Amino acid sequence: DAEITQSPRHKITETGRQVTLACHQTWNHNNMFWYRQDLGHGLRLIHYSYGVQDTNKGEVSDGYSVSRSNTEDLPLTLESAASSQTSVYFCASSEVFGGGTDTQYFGPGTRLTVL
Amino acid sequence: AQSVAQPEDQVNVAEGNPLTVKCTYSVSGNPYLFWYVQYPNRGLQFLLKYITGDNLVKGSYGFEAEFNKSQTSFHLKKPSALVSDSALYFCAVSPQGFNKFYFGSGTKLNVKP
Repeated sequence: DAEITQSPRHKITETGRQVTLACHQTWNHNNMFWYRQDLGHGLRLIHYSYGVQDTNKGEVSDGYSVSRSNTEDLPLTLESAASSQTSVYFCASSEVFGGGTDTQYFGPGTRLTVL
Repeated sequence: AQSVAQPEDQVNVAEGNPLTVKCTYSVSGNPYLFWYVQYPNRGLQFLLKYITGDNLVKGSYGFEAEFNKSQTSFHLKKPSALVSDSALYFCAVSPQGFNKFYFGSGTKLNVKP
């Protein structure tokens, strides 16, 4: 069965360190998304990609970057981790449908703590 | 600007009673509409979607949702709630021409025995 996986599931790091969160999907979807989930804010879009070599900024992209070298993977990098980036991070993928996006399938999440 | 509202942070219902979780939206064009459920320490799971056609959409676990174009609403419903339905529910909208989701803030559903 197709799936979307994230690693690590839990990560503790220190302020100022570079951190990369992995996302891998076997749906063969063109669209991939990164969200963060914080209490009181719901889900906020960080970055997204519509295909290989395509990346776009979401509403809370400062301090994060992504790269898309193949269809399956969209790693999220925190260039210099800050305590404000302590959160739960979700990756999702979908296909384009009509003029919008079809169902997004979510990974299990990565809980990141920045000390 | 595109926006999605879930006006209730929390909904409490007794087991066996019907439940409704509300969602309204303000987007351009005809949107695609989705509901997701999130259990503690888990990712979001897809419940149902409306693309076109019948305004009443049926989904997983006995849930259904009614699309109302004039009220720009997409409320989630279930005729008889179960304790196991207790979770966080998110409404999402994909406006045509926008290849991404706009999420509501989430509604916590508490079903008491």
